[in-house]
Amino acid sequence: ETGVTQSPTHLIKTRGQQVTLRCSSQSGHNTVSWYQQALGQGPQFIFQYYREEENGRGNFPPRFSGLQFPNYSSELNVNALELDDSALYLCASSLVSGGATYEQYFGPGTRLTVT
Amino acid sequence: AQSVTQPDIHITVSEGASLELRCNYSYGATPYLFWYVQSPGQGLQLLLKYFSGDTLVQGIKGFEAEFKRSQSSFNLRKPSVHWSDAAEYFCAVGVASYDKVIFGPGTSLSVIP
Repeated sequence: ETGVTQSPTHLIKTRGQQVTLRCSSQSGHNTVSWYQQALGQGPQFIFQYYREEENGRGNFPPRFSGLQFPNYSSELNVNALELDDSALYLCASSLVSGGATYEQYFGPGTRLTVT
Repeated sequence: AQSVTQPDIHITVSEGASLELRCNYSYGATPYLFWYVQSPGQGLQLLLKYFSGDTLVQGIKGFEAEFKRSQSSFNLRKPSVHWSDAAEYFCAVGVASYDKVIFGPGTSLSVIP
């Protein structure tokens, strides 16, 4: 069974640029959630995708957007990067089946630094 | 609004000593509650979860947690800490469903040999 994988591991961008982070779900999972973890803080929920549609969003501006693909992998896109976007971005996958949601599994994260 | 507090930013214990990490939550309905552990450079690993039934929950690595509705608490315990338990611990509450989760700020655990 393959776990949740994320790419790249580390990324350095300049303020104002755009970035795309990628996540491959664990085998058999159909839901992906993205979290932002600033240094020294707990993760904050950005949004969730289920069946290729956004299924809930946290308190993040529209310049944070995402996609989920038919194979349930996902992308997180951030436009017009700001210094405060520097953080560890975590992807988590889970299975929704028969109306029930099961445990979510986290990837190792992508460390984004904005200079 | 839903929130999670972890009063202890950092805790240091001796190897072999007992451990209790505190967690309080604010949520109107019956909560889904979780404890996660994060080692440096690693993702989050689920230690245990509660959403109904017995209020004392057993998890992996010898951890347990007790849900106390009257105190809005979900404290994590371990009877004997190992050096490998040094990590960041996060308490979290599930909002609306199992997988939209609000995390606390975390407690950093150091273990003295």
